[in-house]
Amino acid sequence: NAGVTQTPKFQVLKTGQSMTLQCAQDMNHNSMYWYRQDPGMGLRLIYYSASEGTTDKGEVPNGYNVSRLNKREFSLRLESAAPSQTSVYFCASSSPSGTYNEQFFGPGTRLTVL
Amino acid sequence: EDQVTQSPEALRLQEGESSSLNCSYTVSGLRGLFWYRQDPGKGPEFLFTLYSAGEEKEKERLKATLTKKESFLHITAPKPEDSATYLCAVPAGGTSYGKLTFGQGTILTVHP
Repeated sequence: NAGVTQTPKFQVLKTGQSMTLQCAQDMNHNSMYWYRQDPGMGLRLIYYSASEGTTDKGEVPNGYNVSRLNKREFSLRLESAAPSQTSVYFCASSSPSGTYNEQFFGPGTRLTVL
Repeated sequence: EDQVTQSPEALRLQEGESSSLNCSYTVSGLRGLFWYRQDPGKGPEFLFTLYSAGEEKEKERLKATLTKKESFLHITAPKPEDSATYLCAVPAGGTSYGKLTFGQGTILTVHP
């Protein structure tokens, strides 16, 4: 099993450009998440999808949109990139059992917006 | 508001010098606490889940413990390969499928 995969690994954008970050998991997990990680700020939740067909905002959703394409795939879109969106983006997935569920993370996408 | 605070921010140890990392939390109705390890340039790697006060879990040189207010990650006789950032996280209060609130992490460096 590959676990959680993310593409691309690195990306440089100019202000105002758009792009989509792709995430896929092969663990048959129900829930998927997008985080950003910035120095001094830790991991912050952008959007999540509790199950196929549902999405909801996390702590820092402004400037982003998401699509839960199917059970395996969850994409994050930046419609008009801004320098403040320079960050490392992580996708994660989990399969809730009761109220306890470990999240498993992908390798990350390092995004720079100039 | 849920809060997770980790200390120290950074810890330097000599190989073989045991120590502990702290994770204190404020959350309504704790439903588990998670420890992760993160190597530079990589995603967090799951280590442990602790469900209730008094619980302990071990993996190689690591042992995680949980009280009603905090968790400790004890590192016994560390090796240079244990160098990493260690993160703790708790499920956000009021949810059932695990939005996580993360601490800032402790950067551990083990010198040979």
